[in-house]
Amino acid sequence: QKEVEQNSGPLSVPEGAIASLNCTYSDRVSQSFFWYRQYSGKSPELIMSIYSNGDKEDGRFTAQLNKASQYVSLLIRDSQPSDSATYLCAGYKAAGNKLTFGGGTRVLVKP
Amino acid sequence: DVKVTQSSRYLVKRTGEKVFLECVQDMDHENMFWYRQDPGLGLRLIYFSYDVKMKEKGDIPEGYSVSREKKERFSLILESASTNQTSMYLCASSSRRGLHYNEQFFGPGTRLTVL
Repeated sequence: QKEVEQNSGPLSVPEGAIASLNCTYSDRVSQSFFWYRQYSGKSPELIMSIYSNGDKEDGRFTAQLNKASQYVSLLIRDSQPSDSATYLCAGYKAAGNKLTFGGGTRVLVKP
Repeated sequence: DVKVTQSSRYLVKRTGEKVFLECVQDMDHENMFWYRQDPGLGLRLIYFSYDVKMKEKGDIPEGYSVSREKKERFSLILESASTNQTSMYLCASSSRRGLHYNEQFFGPGTRLTVL
């Protein structure tokens, strides 16, 4: 099992709708999770971090962490064409003190 | 805002050349990282450093070395470049303190082509 897994997509979402992205993780990953947005040819940009169970909202983004079920999700409300990108989920590994990244989910927001 | 800069956006080198990629961060972060990103393989950690003069191997250190002589600067060295090192190289930094503990911030990347 990969340490952090994501569906590669593409996830196609109409403009104005909610995009829902999911990420599951193994026992080797814990403590804190991060969502990055990466446009084609650009570097990853941190958009959300979440450290405890529950929801965390920031503008149109909501991150959800469920440690019992070992998943973390990202909701993008009122999706815009500018949200079209690859979204990377990352978890912190205490062993080795580093982040491990999922393969990313490609999101396409259609006008 | 955190700023991580990398010395070049695009670089073309020949097989066998020694290549230096430089990364500088201005947020007094303790941790610095070098990744490479390839289609279908995702982000892979090459080396990282927790402090000046300290380095740790990541998942794919073969063919690379690093140097961290100053806290703000982390260099990646390809001792003898090979075509399979053609990739996007990404530098990142993070702090071990405060509210933004372990949030990694990335530089713009260097797209290296080895001919």
